[in-house]
Amino acid sequence: DGGITQSPKYLFRKEGQNVTLSCEQNLNHDAMYWYRQDPGQGLRLIYYSQIVNDFQKGDIAEGYSVSREKKESFPLTVTSAQKNPTAFYLCASSTGQGTTNEKLFFGSGTQLSVL
Amino acid sequence: KQEVTQIPAALSVPEGENLVLNCSFTDSAIYNLQWFRQDPGKGLTSLLLIQSSQREQTSGRLNASLDKSSGRSTLYIAASQPGDSATYLCAVRGNNNDMRFGAGTRLTVKP
Repeated sequence: DGGITQSPKYLFRKEGQNVTLSCEQNLNHDAMYWYRQDPGQGLRLIYYSQIVNDFQKGDIAEGYSVSREKKESFPLTVTSAQKNPTAFYLCASSTGQGTTNEKLFFGSGTQLSVL
Repeated sequence: KQEVTQIPAALSVPEGENLVLNCSFTDSAIYNLQWFRQDPGKGLTSLLLIQSSQREQTSGRLNASLDKSSGRSTLYIAASQPGDSATYLCAVRGNNNDMRFGAGTRLTVKP
């Protein structure tokens, strides 16, 4: 089945710890995105990547880091500098063609909580 | 900066009712608008995408309209069912390929 796989589904972070969220897609999409969702708020963009080995900061990149070494993979690291990391994290992808019918596809999300 | 607003934040209707969800945006220079459904603790599922040159799209009991000049989109759900209960989000893709989301409308359809 084609799609986006996020793991783990639930993740717990201790004080001062870095944690990494996994995102893998087999849709052959060039563009990948990380969003953060807090209760009652819209999704906010953390980082995005339009091509392998390149990525840009979104609106709330502080305390997060990413890499894009392979087209299929876009892992997100939540560093200890992120003081309020508890949220639902969503990975998404799109063709990256910039056309008017470009559709965004999402993974099933990772719930991160602080111990 | 594009702002996307969805009103109401929550809606409860009896089964069988037709209903309309609203989405408004501040910048009419858009590539497209996409409606999503989100069940609790799950990712977003795409329902409909309306390109900037289109006025509406239909899929089954769902119909989405777009009026760029007034900065509005509506999602019409016909003959609502309890299985339609979820949060519905709209997202606008700007001409700079930036995607902006509304906070969503939480729909409850009572049997």
